[in-house]
Amino acid sequence: AQSVTQPDIHITVSEGASLELRCNYSYGATPYLFWYVQSPGQGLQLLLKYFSGDTLVQGIKGFEAEFKRSQSSFNLRKPSVHWSDAAEYFCAVPEGGSQGNLIFGKGTKLSVKP
Amino acid sequence: EAQVTQNPRYLITVTGKKLTVTCSQNMNHEYMSWYRQDPGLGLRQIYYSMNVEVTDKGDVPEGYKVSRKEKRNFPLILESPSPNQTSLYFCASSLSAGWAKNIQYFGAGTRLSVL
Repeated sequence: AQSVTQPDIHITVSEGASLELRCNYSYGATPYLFWYVQSPGQGLQLLLKYFSGDTLVQGIKGFEAEFKRSQSSFNLRKPSVHWSDAAEYFCAVPEGGSQGNLIFGKGTKLSVKP
Repeated sequence: EAQVTQNPRYLITVTGKKLTVTCSQNMNHEYMSWYRQDPGLGLRQIYYSMNVEVTDKGDVPEGYKVSRKEKRNFPLILESPSPNQTSLYFCASSLSAGWAKNIQYFGAGTRLSVL
């Protein structure tokens, strides 16, 4: 069955520092991949998505993610973190690879130090 | 404005007292879904609906019911709530369950406490 692993439960970075959140998936072929962000007290908002093509995808709020087939990874990055980026981040993949219900990772909570 | 609206946002209730959490979307989406979010467990799907009158169980359906009589509404019903259903609930919708061009939109969440 499809699965998504986010190895880091909680990460703290200083404002202005770079960020990388890890996501690994299990699927035989190349799946569609998503990153969502949940700000405190809010619902989930789509940050970016990967369907095919260029393995480096750009999203909103200055985030990007890189798909690496050899590592079954889709890590989220941001060069310079802002205090407003403090939130919980979820990686997700459709259970059928390209369609079906979304399978979510357990999330990584990001804290930002001033 | 495209929206998924859940009500209520916060609810405290007692064991056994039936409750309904409403979800409505204004995007004419076919697919709707309910999740619960618990610390350390991420989001788990409760039920989903591919279209009107078509519903199916997700990963954690026990203790919940849903209905989809109209395209825009997908209420979540707890017939006899128990404390282990204390959680944060999210409703979501997308154009269809095919992902080629479809993004899932989420409501703001309903925080439920069952005493």
